[in-house]
Amino acid sequence: AQSVTQPDIHITVSEGASLELRCNYSYGATPYLFWYVQSPGQGLQLLLKYFSGDTLVQGIKGFEAEFKRSQSSFNLRKPSVHWSDAAEYFCAVAGGNQGGKLIFGQGTELSVKP
Amino acid sequence: DTGVSQDPRHKITKRGQNVTFRCDPISEHNRLYWYRQTLGQGPEFLTYFQNEAQLEKSRLLSDRFSAERPKGSFSTLEIQRTEQGDSAMYLCASSLVPAGGGYTFGSGTRLTVV
Repeated sequence: AQSVTQPDIHITVSEGASLELRCNYSYGATPYLFWYVQSPGQGLQLLLKYFSGDTLVQGIKGFEAEFKRSQSSFNLRKPSVHWSDAAEYFCAVAGGNQGGKLIFGQGTELSVKP
Repeated sequence: DTGVSQDPRHKITKRGQNVTFRCDPISEHNRLYWYRQTLGQGPEFLTYFQNEAQLEKSRLLSDRFSAERPKGSFSTLEIQRTEQGDSAMYLCASSLVPAGGGYTFGSGTRLTVV
């Protein structure tokens, strides 16, 4: 069965600093991988996704993620964080049956210091 | 297209009452998913449909929960004899098959059981 681990529950970075959020997944074949962002009381917004091809994917709001099969990882990065990036970030994996259900990690809460 | 719509946005109910939520997916999406999210946690998969067929149901879903998608368009999620532990955000998502375009989420229905 697929699963997702986000090792960092809470991260604080200074505005303008770089950011990396970690995600490790478990799935037997090549998964579909996603990063979503959620602001308090809101739904989930898709930042980026990986299905195949280039292992470095670009998303919205200046985010990117790199798929590393050997490490079963899909870490999210941003070179310069803005105060508006403060939110909860979720990594998710989908697998068989042409996608099927999406399984989420527990999330990483990002705080941004001025 | 207005995206995924969920109704109501908020629901307060007394313990023991039945509640029903509605989800209208993106019109061309043939898959529809239900998730539950509690504070500080990632969304937890409940069930999903392809057209009107319910393809998978979480083992965590008690018999008090039932979902339908009678004509392959909108879906309803009913909780019977609500308990305080049912208090959560209920999220709906939709996708195409295969899920190349990603999964689009609604804003959710927040349920409070008092």
